[in-house]
Order: sequence, then structure tokens, then C-alpha cells
Amino acid sequence: LAKTTQPISMDSYEGQEVNITCSHNNIATNDYITWYQQFPSQGPRFIIQGYKTKVTNEVASLFIPADRKSSTLSLPRVSLSDTAVYYCLVGDRVWAGGYNKLIFGAGTRLAVHP
Amino acid sequence: DVKVTQSSRYLVKRTGEKVFLECVQDMDHENMFWYRQDPGLGLRLIYFSYDVKMKEKGDIPEGYSVSREKKERFSLILESASTNQTSMYLCASRGQRNTEAFFGQGTRLTVV
Repeated sequence: LAKTTQPISMDSYEGQEVNITCSHNNIATNDYITWYQQFPSQGPRFIIQGYKTKVTNEVASLFIPADRKSSTLSLPRVSLSDTAVYYCLVGDRVWAGGYNKLIFGAGTRLAVHP
Repeated sequence: DVKVTQSSRYLVKRTGEKVFLECVQDMDHENMFWYRQDPGLGLRLIYFSYDVKMKEKGDIPEGYSVSREKKERFSLILESASTNQTSMYLCASRGQRNTEAFFGQGTRLTVV
């Protein structure tokens, strides 16, 4: 069971770049790394997913080093609306069917200040 | 537009009642999940299902059961509700392995 470790909370200011790092030492060969964002009173929302190196979309970038034991979510020029909890997930493979569970950790609570 | 719909946004039930939380997805996803979320504890997986009539326990299945008779619907059942089951319940669905999951808006259940 691949576990993840993230900082409990982070603070930033509008316009800054925010980097949230996640450790996943026991990641399996075929596991992907996925990040979700959750606002209060809403369900989590997918942000980005990657396997190795760098992935970028319109919302964020995901940096994954060669050993894949960690990953960094980068949010460019955050605004107040980026205040949320960010979760890092690693695919938990279960044999028989190729499905896997979605195991969330406690997440990182990001507060963006004016 | 992709949708996961939970039957109730807010629910108040009495201790000992049997409670049904319903979740429907319109994406023909194989996998569906039920979580509960409590302050400071993040999302904890209760049960998940990878196919019709198939289910697996998550991390905290005690006091809950599930039903998946049709692919699009996944029900969470509290056989005898207790006050410690007061929580936010979130349903999610996902297609094949390693694709993104979609969540419902959540059901805030209060057991009194």
C-alpha cells in the first residue's frame, strides 16, 4: 500500500508561486501520481496526473524526479481562490481486475493571503 | 458534462435508523467509491466497488454496507445509525485504472 506524506499546511501570498511536495517512498512501478484540490463543502477535484518527469496543464505543473519517490505540485501565481486542501495520491494496485483503490492522505491546507 | 450525483445534500437521522445514501454516475465507470470526511482526518475510504455486485472494504467499513446492483448506482447503507457516523459522505467514480476520479457534492449526515 503506497502511502504519501505531505506538509499539513502552507501559507502564501497572492501572485507567488507555490510548491507542495509529496513523498511516496513505496511507489510501485506502474503507479501514477495524482493531485486533487478540495474547496470547503465540495468534493475533491482532479488537478493533474503524471508518471515521471514533468507534466503541465492550464492549472498546474507536476515535477517527478527520476526515482519517483517524491513529486512536487507547482501552482504559478496563486490567487485567493486557490485557498484549498491539496491531496497527493499514488495509485494502489490491487491484483484481480486491474483496478485500484483511491487512498487519500490528510492533504495540505494551502492558505493564500492578500 | 460528467456527473456524480448524490441523492441528498443534507440529511438528519435518528440513532438506530437505517440510512441509505445513494450515488449515481453517468459516465459508465467501473469503479465507485464511498468516503467519509471529518475535520482533520481527510478522506477515509469506507467501501469501493469495481463492478456490478462486486465490492471491497476500505479502511473503515465497520458499521456500513454497500450495494451495487446496477453499474451507475452505488449505495451506502448505515444499518443502525449512530452519532459517531455524523460526517460528510462523498461518493466518487472512476473509469479504468489511473484515470481521474469524479466526486459528488457530498452528503452531510447528522445523526441525533
